[in-house]
Amino acid sequence: GAGVSQTPSNKVTEKGKYVELRCDPISGHTALYWYRQSLGQGPEFLIYFQGTGAADDSGLPNDRFFAVRPEGSVSTLKIQRTERGDSAVYLCASSFSSYNEQFFGPGTRLTVL
Amino acid sequence: AQSVAQPEDQVNVAEGNPLTVKCTYSVSGNPYLFWYVQYPNRGLQFLLKYITGDNLVKGSYGFEAEFNKSQTSFHLKKPSALVSDSALYFCAVREVDNFNKFYFGSGTKLNVKP
Repeated sequence: GAGVSQTPSNKVTEKGKYVELRCDPISGHTALYWYRQSLGQGPEFLIYFQGTGAADDSGLPNDRFFAVRPEGSVSTLKIQRTERGDSAVYLCASSFSSYNEQFFGPGTRLTVL
Repeated sequence: AQSVAQPEDQVNVAEGNPLTVKCTYSVSGNPYLFWYVQYPNRGLQFLLKYITGDNLVKGSYGFEAEFNKSQTSFHLKKPSALVSDSALYFCAVREVDNFNKFYFGSGTKLNVKP
């Protein structure tokens, strides 16, 4: 069956621009997670959705980062006024519930010039 | 606070030999531990998990992991390595007080040589 998909696979932008990263979870998965993975590091938790609501956004680094999941399926991670330090691979994962293992998408590589 | 450490950046092993990838953890209660593998340009794939019960957990692709409470370790093992096992391996712990948060280690690159 279809796994978690993320678009775009690569995004290059200029400092100060706004970007949106999209995640399509596995159908039926109610839990959705966003992570950021910098070079040479493990994934770093950003935000968790249960259904439509952001149940835990404690990992968002600052108020330039925001994520939505309006219909409880697709999620969009939004970054305003991008900075060079935002360059990383952004990973999305979904699971049937928060008690189950997560299935990860291939990630979006964001490069801020 | 929960944390995970993977002390080796890289592990080299010859094909057919046993492999071990090390992981130690720090949690305030009973740990929920996971291993994931990441192949180039692909997402992380779940290998196995420890929640409770038998200390030896068996997972995908012939991998297993041993939970050791006294040493706070959860090492990943495989009796006979394959060249195709070469990848990046991540250990993760689930936060006990906040079940939604996972903490990942920095990863260990496994190189299996023919």
